This record gives sequence, C-alpha cells and structure tokens, in this order.
Amino acid sequence: DAGVIQSPRHEVTEMGQEVTLRCKPISGHNSLFWYRQTMMRGLELLIYFNNNVPIDDSGMPEDRFSAKMPNASFSTLKIQPSEPRDSAVYFCASSLAGTMNTEAFFGQGTRLTVV
Amino acid sequence: QQQVKQSPQSLIVQKGGISIINCAYENTAFDYFPWYQQFPGKGPALLIAIRPDVSEKKEGRFTISFNKSAKQFSLHIMDSQPGDSATYFCAATPRHTGFQKLVFGTGTRLLVSP
Repeated sequence: DAGVIQSPRHEVTEMGQEVTLRCKPISGHNSLFWYRQTMMRGLELLIYFNNNVPIDDSGMPEDRFSAKMPNASFSTLKIQPSEPRDSAVYFCASSLAGTMNTEAFFGQGTRLTVV
Repeated sequence: QQQVKQSPQSLIVQKGGISIINCAYENTAFDYFPWYQQFPGKGPALLIAIRPDVSEKKEGRFTISFNKSAKQFSLHIMDSQPGDSATYFCAATPRHTGFQKLVFGTGTRLLVSP
C-alpha cells in the first residue's frame, strides 16, 4: 500500500484566495484525521471522520475552514479565504476504527504558505 | 489538564551517546503513552508506546521509562546514531477513547552529530 497520500506537497497562495488540500487514506481504513502543525502550537487535531461522517470538528479554528469526505477514499480540507496565519503544515492521517485503536498513519503533509 | 509537557525543545547528542527526552502529564485518565518520530518532510510515525502497567518498555535502542506516581515518562535512545536525527513527540490518551483523543507534546528536535 502506498500509505496516506496528500496533495499538493507545497502550496503558496495569496491572502484571500481559496485553498484546497487533498487526502487519500489507506485503503480499508475508515477513520480519517486532519492535523495542523506549527512551531508555536505543535500538532493540533482539526477534525476527524469515521465512515465518512464528521465526528468531531471542534478543532477547526474558524468558519473559514471546512472539511469534507465524500467517499471512503478521498477527503478535502478547504480554507476560504486564506490568511497568512494559516501558514502551517497540514497532515492527514487514517486508521482502522475502533475506539481501542490508538494508531493512525500520517501522510507526508502539505506545507501551506499564505503571503 | 489535557496538556502533555515535553522537554527539552532541542537536543544535540554525539554519536554513540544517550538521548533522553522527558514528558509530563496531569490527566490521570491517560493510560496509553506513545512516542512518534518525524523526519523532515515526513509525517509523524509511531516509534514505541507504553501502558502504565509496566515501568519500562524496550525496543532495540529505544526505551520508554514510565513513572506513574510522578506522572512522567521519558524516551531514551541508546547508542544514538546520525540517522536518529529527527523530531520526537510524546503523546498520551485514555486508551478507550482511541487515536482521536491523542494529546501531543510540543516536540523535541534531536540532532546526533557524527
């Protein structure tokens, strides 16, 4: 398996523009997580899905952020409009669900720079 | 109470030395303590984990030491190698709540000099 695949790897955009980050989880996994990593705040969970349904989005910082999972093999994280403080590395992770499951596999991340 | 405090922020160790990274927590409901390793340009990957029913777990050169009464746990890397240079994150969760409730430390950037 190729692991969790994220695209793009790098994104540079101007303030005010819409940004869409994409994630393909590991085949067969039914939980998906979006994280944001910054030097100041470390790794923060933004939202997670179970069986394509958003379960907890309490980590989404503002209404400018939205996430969807239209099917088991694809998810998007959208920021509209983007702001310089959104600059970070965004990770997607997936796992095989079960409340006792404590491991997920991370993608390589998307480095977002908003100028 | 949900925080996991990690130290040091950065660490430089000579090849062959011992790297030690420390973490502390407050939430007594935490009962699963993994460590993640992250190389530049990569996502974090599970390295080793421990549950509080044991005081130590060893996998190769990597050892977790756990002190339940002090609510502290640490990662020891024996015979540190340049290939171990990475950022290390400790984490904690109540195991029954699953991965989604994992609380991460702020990370330690380890550099092993040749």
